[in-house]
Amino acid sequence: AQKITQTQPGMFVQEKEAVTLDCTYDTSDPSYGLFWYKQPSSGEMIFLIYQGSYDQQNATEGRYSLNFQKARKSANLVISASQLGDSAMYFCAMREVAGTALIFGKGTTLSVSS
Amino acid sequence: NAGVTQTPKFQVLKTGQSMTLQCAQDMNHNSMYWYRQDPGMGLRLIYYSASEGTTDKGEVPNGYNVSRLNKREFSLRLESAAPSQTSVYFCASSERVAGGNGYTFGSGTRLTVV
Repeated sequence: AQKITQTQPGMFVQEKEAVTLDCTYDTSDPSYGLFWYKQPSSGEMIFLIYQGSYDQQNATEGRYSLNFQKARKSANLVISASQLGDSAMYFCAMREVAGTALIFGKGTTLSVSS
Repeated sequence: NAGVTQTPKFQVLKTGQSMTLQCAQDMNHNSMYWYRQDPGMGLRLIYYSASEGTTDKGEVPNGYNVSRLNKREFSLRLESAAPSQTSVYFCASSERVAGGNGYTFGSGTRLTVV
């Protein structure tokens, strides 16, 4: 069964607007971590933000925030005030406490226009 | 620090040829991973090594073998390359249980099998 689901293959947003990238996950493990990565056209994997399953508050890192809804098993990435440089592929990933490896979703391509 | 170094960066193989992708990390991480990235599929785990001396299959291990040579190095071998193995391969490393920015990725190897 797919553990990380990203249902938006592509998203389009204008500069300075906010955008939400969806991610749902499936696990029976009570302890897990959720990650978001950015992959620009150059190909490197850039860490954006992390949320632990026991963290009480939603994670924030600059313009990035993670809307963590544990009961719904969702971990959406919110990018405020989009910039042209935000155009990239975005991956949601999860690590269960029972394992060490990250399991990735299929990704969402974000295009920011001026 | 170099982080995670993958060699080669690009490779073209003929069907049936063999090759080894090399990965080395200098962060003293215990765990190392090999992923492949195909369009629309995200990053899929091929094999991982939770600690030196151990290796385990991931989601897509068929056609590959791995060797955890020492704590620093984790190689991926294609014994008889097939066109279906055309992909971008990423090596990554982390501590045994990692959160936040705990995973470090290499820059990738673009492999084409003709």
